[in-house]
Amino acid sequence: QKEVEQDPGPLSVPEGAIVSLNCTYSNSAFQYFMWYRQYSRKGPELLMYTYSSGNKEDGRFTAQVDKSSKYISLFIRDSQPSDSATYLCSCYSNYQLIWGAGTKLIIKP
Amino acid sequence: SQTIHQWPATLVQPVGSPLSLECTVEGTSNPNLYWYRQAAGRGLQLLFYSVGIGQISSEVPQNLSASRPQDRQFILSSKKLLLSDSGFYLCAWSVSYEQFFGPGTRLTVL
Repeated sequence: QKEVEQDPGPLSVPEGAIVSLNCTYSNSAFQYFMWYRQYSRKGPELLMYTYSSGNKEDGRFTAQVDKSSKYISLFIRDSQPSDSATYLCSCYSNYQLIWGAGTKLIIKP
Repeated sequence: SQTIHQWPATLVQPVGSPLSLECTVEGTSNPNLYWYRQAAGRGLQLLFYSVGIGQISSEVPQNLSASRPQDRQFILSSKKLLLSDSGFYLCAWSVSYEQFFGPGTRLTVL
């Protein structure tokens, strides 16, 4: 079992839809949780991070962590074609980030 | 502000040739540095990380090596490339839990 599981997709939704991206993790010691966005042929860029359980909102993006179920979510409201990218979740542990496989998201105009 | 540079952006090398990829960070001191490889359509595989000059930890046994000759310089090397070394190589830096990535080097081994 991988420490961080993420469905690779692709996930295709129409423009304007609410997108839900999810990961599960196995190590209850993880405290910091990150979401990165990666456009094709580019390096990943940090979107958001959360500490412990709870929600964090930044514009159209909301990150949510439920430590009781070891579940990480990223919600995108009013999705735009420019949101089409691969979204990677990660958990911080001992100088390292443990990565999910990434979900490829396609927003159809 | 902090900046991370990687070069070259793309590289095509024959099997058995040597490799040297360089990464430098500006605007921060004593960062943790990382080398990742990403195969097409796959997630990030951590290859090496360094918490200080001359301190290298290897995560995956392979024919690659890394060195950190200066505080903000990280080099990925190979003496003889294999076909399986093809991929997208990413350098990253951090001073806490967030990591920040460079633009990457796309390596094709033929």
